Amino acid sequence: DMKVTQMPRYLIKRMGENVLLECGQDMSHETMYWYRQDPGLGLQLIYISYDVDSNSEGDIPKGYRVSRKKREHFSLILDSAKTNQTSVYFCASSLSGEVFFGKGTRLTVV
Amino acid sequence: AQSVTQPDARVTVSEGASLQLRCKYSYSATPYLFWYVQYPRQGLQLLLKYYSGDPVVQGVNGFEAEFSKSNSSFHLRKASVHWSDSAVYFCAVSYNRIFFGDGTQLVVKP
Repeated sequence: DMKVTQMPRYLIKRMGENVLLECGQDMSHETMYWYRQDPGLGLQLIYISYDVDSNSEGDIPKGYRVSRKKREHFSLILDSAKTNQTSVYFCASSLSGEVFFGKGTRLTVV
Repeated sequence: AQSVTQPDARVTVSEGASLQLRCKYSYSATPYLFWYVQYPRQGLQLLLKYYSGDPVVQGVNGFEAEFSKSNSSFHLRKASVHWSDSAVYFCAVSYNRIFFGDGTQLVVKP
């Protein structure tokens, strides 16, 4: 069963804390993504990874960084989280243009 | 610049009525085209995709979409909607990366 798994599903952090969002996929897809979704704003691309250690900024990379040391694993890191980073974060992987999404992580920064 | 436009932010239809959700894209070549659906507190799930060939493609749950090169459109249709079709629908195009529209919220009235 093809799957993108995100952990944790829900997370509450204080402003200034570091945040690690984890994502795994079992399809050996080379390309992976991190998006955030806010009400009424659709999906905003944060980072794209084309393979291990081959990462590119998306449309809104400021305040985020990523790590991909294994093909099946892609992490999103928020150093010193801010309240405006409260959002739902989706990880995805793709093959031949088709994108497979995880169920999302709902992050609240207080 | 490549873009995807879903002109209707919200569509309300009665159960059993027919449905069309509009999508237009801006790209010089014919990209890969997709429709995704997002149910509450879930990630996006693929409804259907178009790569080439027959411009009418069938998807899951009775959905279909028609590609029109002359109109640069990829509209989603369903002959008879059910209350469980209430969700947010995203059109997407893919070339070297995937671009999503802002989504259309579908509300099906009983």
